Amino acid sequence: QTVVTQEPSLSVSPGGTVTLTCGLNSGSVTTNYYVSWHQQSPGQAPRTLIYSTNTRSSGVPNRFSGSILGNKAALTITGAQAADESYYYCVLYMGRGIWVFGGGTKLTVL
Amino acid sequence: QVQLVQSGAEVKKPGASVKVSCKASGYTFTSYNIIWVRQAPGQGLEWMGWINTYTADTKYPQKVQGRVTMTRDTSTNTAYMELRSLTSDDTAVYYCAKDGSEPTVDSWGQGTLVTVSS
Repeated sequence: QTVVTQEPSLSVSPGGTVTLTCGLNSGSVTTNYYVSWHQQSPGQAPRTLIYSTNTRSSGVPNRFSGSILGNKAALTITGAQAADESYYYCVLYMGRGIWVFGGGTKLTVL
Repeated sequence: QVQLVQSGAEVKKPGASVKVSCKASGYTFTSYNIIWVRQAPGQGLEWMGWINTYTADTKYPQKVQGRVTMTRDTSTNTAYMELRSLTSDDTAVYYCAKDGSEPTVDSWGQGTLVTVSS
């Protein structure tokens, strides 16, 4: 069974840089998985930040960037702000209409 | 702009069925596919299935296979997700989302709370 792994929690100082990762229990994440990243605040619907690995969604600040780092997908926040404190989810497309979500990362800005 | 507007909250008894709608606007409905996702209280996001809005082909995870049916109405640009034989474990917020020119999630609906309680 495919499992997508994310750090359960991370913290960053205001103005700092943090990288969240999205891996697979078996194999490497590549651009072929069309990774997307989504931010969700409590009680709110998810908001797409990044799609197709590294394309920023409309209106998303350029302090958010997506990439492949080694064998994982990565979401990097540069110059973190208090408003970035949230949950972040990645999702991979496995082919044939199948999608798998990561367990999510709770990001704290302190 | 792209909008996915979902139907309102539902309260159902165990064993009942629920049908959630997702009305799309701001783009050509049949050019992009819809996925359904749910989030149980305090939990993460879980993929519930996918529908090709052009062909009506569907794909469901094994966990809900046999209990879920996804359909679409191209005349109203609306996708539907029906879940049957509800239990308390199905209590969750259900989201629709769309993919883009590539199979990647790029927009979300506002969510529909489904509560299953006797």
